[in-house]
Amino acid sequence: EPEVTQTPSHQVTQMGQEVILRCVPISNHLYFYWYRQILGQKVEFLVSFYNNEISEKSEIFDDQFSVERPDGSNFTLKIRSTKLEDSAMYFCASIKQGHSYEQYFGPGTRLTVT
Amino acid sequence: DAKTTQPTSMDCAEGRAANLPCNHSTISGNEYVYWYRQIHSQGPQYIIHGLKNNETNEMASLIITEDRKSSTLILPHATLRDTAVYYCIVRVRNGGSQGNLIFGKGTKLSVKP
Repeated sequence: EPEVTQTPSHQVTQMGQEVILRCVPISNHLYFYWYRQILGQKVEFLVSFYNNEISEKSEIFDDQFSVERPDGSNFTLKIRSTKLEDSAMYFCASIKQGHSYEQYFGPGTRLTVT
Repeated sequence: DAKTTQPTSMDCAEGRAANLPCNHSTISGNEYVYWYRQIHSQGPQYIIHGLKNNETNEMASLIITEDRKSSTLILPHATLRDTAVYYCIVRVRNGGSQGNLIFGKGTKLSVKP
């Protein structure tokens, strides 16, 4: 069964450093999402991406965040200058066009900012 | 999107049916009920969805009341691997570009041997 993959599984970085989290969505999916989950809290929507542009973003997704689909397979989330409060699990998700019921989530990247 | 209310936690004996309730009294006519689950820090997993009819798939059954103000997710024979947080989400089905999900706190289901 096809699945969304994410790398790395765990990233440790120092405050102020840039990090790039990578996702490979399912190959025939066209809509992509990033969510985050701070330890013990709810899963929160960050951004959706379609046709090489951001469709929607939450208040969390400020100027420190950016997304990119640099090639036909990868979907990345960049945090320019990490803060302690960026420590969280980051999940990538994707859906097929016209099948927005079921979002397929990746296993997540645990980001630890020290 | 309509607000949902779920119990914070539930227990279920292994092999028995787990019935997880969800209240969505402000649901509108074009909003669907979705269920997802999250097994300990893994990515959320889609389970099932419905509009007004009861639905069944290989994972679960979804029973929606006639007035659509509440629903119940049924895991017919719960196993220890079904221990997870279960999320009931109500939203309009979009074309996809705005299909972001709004997660609540969900119900933590503990399946016990």
